[in-house]
Amino acid sequence: AQTVTQSQPEMSVQEAETVTLSCTYDTSENNYYLFWYKQPPSRQMILVIRQEAYKQQNATENRFSVNFQKAAKSFSLKISDSQLGDTAMYFCAFMKQGGYALNFGKGTSLLVTP
Amino acid sequence: GAVVSQHPSRVICKSGTSVKIECRSLDFQATTMFWYRQFPKQSLMLMATSNEGSKATYEQGVEKDKFLINHASLTLSTLTVTSAHPEDSSFYICSARPHGNSGNTIYFGEGSWLTVV
Repeated sequence: AQTVTQSQPEMSVQEAETVTLSCTYDTSENNYYLFWYKQPPSRQMILVIRQEAYKQQNATENRFSVNFQKAAKSFSLKISDSQLGDTAMYFCAFMKQGGYALNFGKGTSLLVTP
Repeated sequence: GAVVSQHPSRVICKSGTSVKIECRSLDFQATTMFWYRQFPKQSLMLMATSNEGSKATYEQGVEKDKFLINHASLTLSTLTVTSAHPEDSSFYICSARPHGNSGNTIYFGEGSWLTVV
């Protein structure tokens, strides 16, 4: 079974600053996908960024980027120029290749302060 | 983008009654749908995987007779909580994978709050 670990239950960052959320995972699979989802108070799950394990290049989506270290099984999310609207729960998730379900970490509650 | 709609968004039911939650893919066909449960300040826990036209696959510890899942068409999966009790109160959220998708595209519904009184 795959496990996803987010070791930071809560984090806080000032507006315009940069913050990094950590995620590690455990798997024996070689081909898989990794995701970061944002869940604001509305509870809607919003895809922030995804990474295919076979790609060495780190994924980037505007202010969001990841540091994917496959050998270390680490997948951290960097949010640059933090905005108040980034305040939310952030979940790291793992998916085996082949149409399986997402397996989520426990989440990190991020608060962006003025 | 693709839309997954859940209904109802909020429901209150009495102990002992059953309640049905629907998950619809509005603009795509979903071969596979997933049902999750989320307690306050916790993560999403996979309850079951629902494949169109076949029986759902339940995760360990999830009572299949209590949480009935039906995926009768490529656009609709339903979760029925039977003989609901207060401990079943939770946020239930579905997700769907488009038919023919390579595997890594998942769309989430808006979720349903269930309160059992």
